[in-house]
Parts: sequence; C-alpha cells; structure tokens
Amino acid sequence: GQNIDQPTEMTATEGAIVQINCTYQTSGFNGLFWYQQHAGEAPTFLSYNVLDGLEEKGRFSSFLSRSKGYSYLLLKELQMKDSASYLCAVRDYDYKLSFGAGTTVTVRA
Amino acid sequence: GAVVSQHPSWVICKSGTSVKIECRSLDFQATTMFWYRQFPKQSLMLMATSNEGSKATYEQGVEKDKFLINHASLTLSTLTVTSAHPEDSSFYICSAREDFPSGRSGEQFFGPGTRLTVL
Repeated sequence: GQNIDQPTEMTATEGAIVQINCTYQTSGFNGLFWYQQHAGEAPTFLSYNVLDGLEEKGRFSSFLSRSKGYSYLLLKELQMKDSASYLCAVRDYDYKLSFGAGTTVTVRA
Repeated sequence: GAVVSQHPSWVICKSGTSVKIECRSLDFQATTMFWYRQFPKQSLMLMATSNEGSKATYEQGVEKDKFLINHASLTLSTLTVTSAHPEDSSFYICSAREDFPSGRSGEQFFGPGTRLTVL
C-alpha cells in the first residue's frame, strides 16, 4: 500500500514563496504528481517527477528524492488565486494514483 | 490537452433510487479509467479501476454490487450508484489514462466531477 503525508494547512502572504512537503512510503513507485484543487472542482495537474531532481514550470517547481521518499512543491510569487488545496499523489506500477490528504494553502494580501 | 467530461455535473436523488454517472475522454482513447470519491475536506479515494472490455477492479471496502461500472468503449465509462442512500452523497470524480503509444507518461486526466446528493 501507499502512505503519503503532507501538512494540513499553510498560510502565506501574496508575493511570497511557500514550500509544501510530501513524504511517502510505497510498495511500488512509478512517479509522483502534484495537483491543485479548488473547492468543488476536480484536481488539475501541476507537475510530475519520476527521476530525482527539480522540475520547474513557471512559478511552480517540484522536487523529488526517491531514496528519501520525499518531494516538495514550491510556489513562488504567490497570488491570491493560488489559494487552494494541493494534493501529492504517488503512482504505482498499475498506474493507480494514491493521494495524500491535501494541503490547504491560504494566500493573504 | 486531453479533455475528460463527466455528466451530470450534479444530481439530487431520493434515497433508494439509482444514479448513473458518465465519464468520457473527448479527444483520446482510454482503455483504463479510474473512479474516485471525495468527501468534504478529504482527499480523493480510489474506488475502482475501469477497464474497457473487462470487469472493473474494485478497491478494498468498495461494494461492487452497489457501484456498478461499465466500460463499454474506449472513450466511455459509467458508474451507477444503485439504491443510493444519504451516506453515498459525495463528489465523484473520474480520470482517464491515455493509451500508448502517445509519447505521454501515461498521465491521468481528470473529469470535472459529479456532485451527488441523496435525500
């Protein structure tokens, strides 16, 4: 099975940087995904890591260390619209995704 | 990008009735689709894996006779909640995995979700 942990809530100021950590223990690892989810909506894809290192995509970056079972999502230049839940998900060899409980990020002016 | 649709987007029904939710991949083929359920302030929980042309694979604790899944074509999977009860009220989300060969990573694309309320 999969055990995925991420903080429940984080608060940051507009324009700041926030880092959301995710640790996982899995029976099979075939990639790690980060999704953004606004209340009442489906998740939208943010990033994908399968090899160690940093993947940068605009204001969002994601890092993976497979040996440590650790990933983080970095959100730069925070905007009010970034207030949402951020989900860490691990994929197994059957291509099934297991989600963490999500981190609610609140951006304040 | 790949688009997945769900219908209906919301539904209200009486206890004891059955509700069917459709999940369609609009511009790609998907042999495999997934059904998730999300309760308020909780994360997505995988219910079952839907495979075109074969029986769905259900996760532990999910009643297959209550949640009927039919994957009749490479672009359509349906979830039927039979004899729905108030505790089945939830946000149901499907996703579709694009078939190879496409050069993609086997990424899942999510539908917009269906809000089910059982009175």
